[in-house]
Amino acid sequence: AQKITQTQPGMFVQEKEAVTLDCTYDTSDPSYGLFWYKQPSSGEMIFLIYQGSYDQQNATEGRYSLNFQKARKSANLVISASQLGDSAMYFCAMRERGYSSASKIIFGSGTRLSIRP
Amino acid sequence: GAGVSQSPSNKVTEKGKDVELRCDPISGHTALYWYRQSLGQGLEFLIYFQGNSAPDKSGLPSDRFSAERTGGSVSTLTIQRTQQEDSAVYLCASSLARYNQPQHFGDGTRLSIL
Repeated sequence: AQKITQTQPGMFVQEKEAVTLDCTYDTSDPSYGLFWYKQPSSGEMIFLIYQGSYDQQNATEGRYSLNFQKARKSANLVISASQLGDSAMYFCAMRERGYSSASKIIFGSGTRLSIRP
Repeated sequence: GAGVSQSPSNKVTEKGKDVELRCDPISGHTALYWYRQSLGQGLEFLIYFQGNSAPDKSGLPSDRFSAERTGGSVSTLTIQRTQQEDSAVYLCASSLARYNQPQHFGDGTRLSIL
């Protein structure tokens, strides 16, 4: 069964520092996608970055990058040069290819990131 | 273009009443998902649809919860005989039906059971 684990309930980081949010996963499907979402205090879910299981390179989107270590089944999110606006809840999610054209997406329990000025 | 629309944005009702929550996905998105999020917690998967069928209903907490989708578009989540523990934010998301496609979320319905 698929599973996502985020072991850091909360983190405090100084503004302008880089931060790494951990995510490990478990699946028996060789085809899967990994996603990171940001949820500010306003509540909306914002898609940040995607990594496919067959991608050879780590995904990057602006200040966000994904440290994908397939053998370790980890997909950590790295935020460079953190800003006050990065304070939010961050969720890691996984979607298996499965046997149908769409499949369930499961989420980790989240990490609350707080940026100190 | 228009995003995922959920209504109502807030719902307050008395214990024991039935409620209906509505989700209007992004046009062309054949996959639709319902999640529940309690205050400060993660997302609890409830059900997802591919077209009008629901391949996975495993997350529905009890038989008081049901969901349907018609015309491959709008979905309604119905909670019968509401209980106080049903109080939460109910989030709907839609996506294209491929595993590399991200979900797009609505703003949620905040449900409060008195």
